[in-house]
Amino acid sequence: DAMVIQNPRYQVTQFGKPVTLSCSQTLNHNVMYWYQQKSSQAPKLLFHYYDKDFNNEADTPDNFQSRRPNTSFCFLDIRSPGLGDAAMYLCATSIGQGSYEQYFGPGTRLTVT
Amino acid sequence: QKEVEQNSGPLSVPEGAIASLNCTYSDRGSQSFFWYRQYSGKSPELIMSIYSNGDKEDGRFTAQLNKASQYVSLLIRDSQPSDSATYLCAVRGNTGFQKLVFGTGTRLLVSP
Repeated sequence: DAMVIQNPRYQVTQFGKPVTLSCSQTLNHNVMYWYQQKSSQAPKLLFHYYDKDFNNEADTPDNFQSRRPNTSFCFLDIRSPGLGDAAMYLCATSIGQGSYEQYFGPGTRLTVT
Repeated sequence: QKEVEQNSGPLSVPEGAIASLNCTYSDRGSQSFFWYRQYSGKSPELIMSIYSNGDKEDGRFTAQLNKASQYVSLLIRDSQPSDSATYLCAVRGNTGFQKLVFGTGTRLLVSP
């Protein structure tokens, strides 16, 4: 089945220790998104790629970076995690090309100790 | 004013009843509207999309859109305990071509 996959599902990191979260998709969608969601809050868009074009949200901290080496994979790098970065990180995809429905992966729960 | 507003709930309905979830948005130029269901600790799951004024039905779900009043609603008929979840409203506005703005969600509780 075509899907969006995120690894790992749970990640524990230490304060200040870099961490990378990964997302892959078999949907062949053009657009990939990274969201941060904290408890009882709306998903907050960090950035998205339309093909290789990177679009950063104005309020995304510099501590967050992303890479999309090919159509299928996208990575979220947190360079120096703080306690406030503990959250669910959601990857989503959409076809683009006039279609705006987004499909989410299962998410990665990040804990910062 | 938030871009997308939802009552946080919880909205409690008995099994078999109709649950009505509402969402208002501030960007009058918004074009596309989506409802996602999110179970506790899980990721959002797309359940409905609507683009034109009026009603759109899919099984037990009906989405209603009124662009003049800037609201979109989701009706769930014959509510089941398995429908208990948080329902997120998402809107594609004019601020970003491929971006959705999410509301904080309404928590629905369906009691047996």
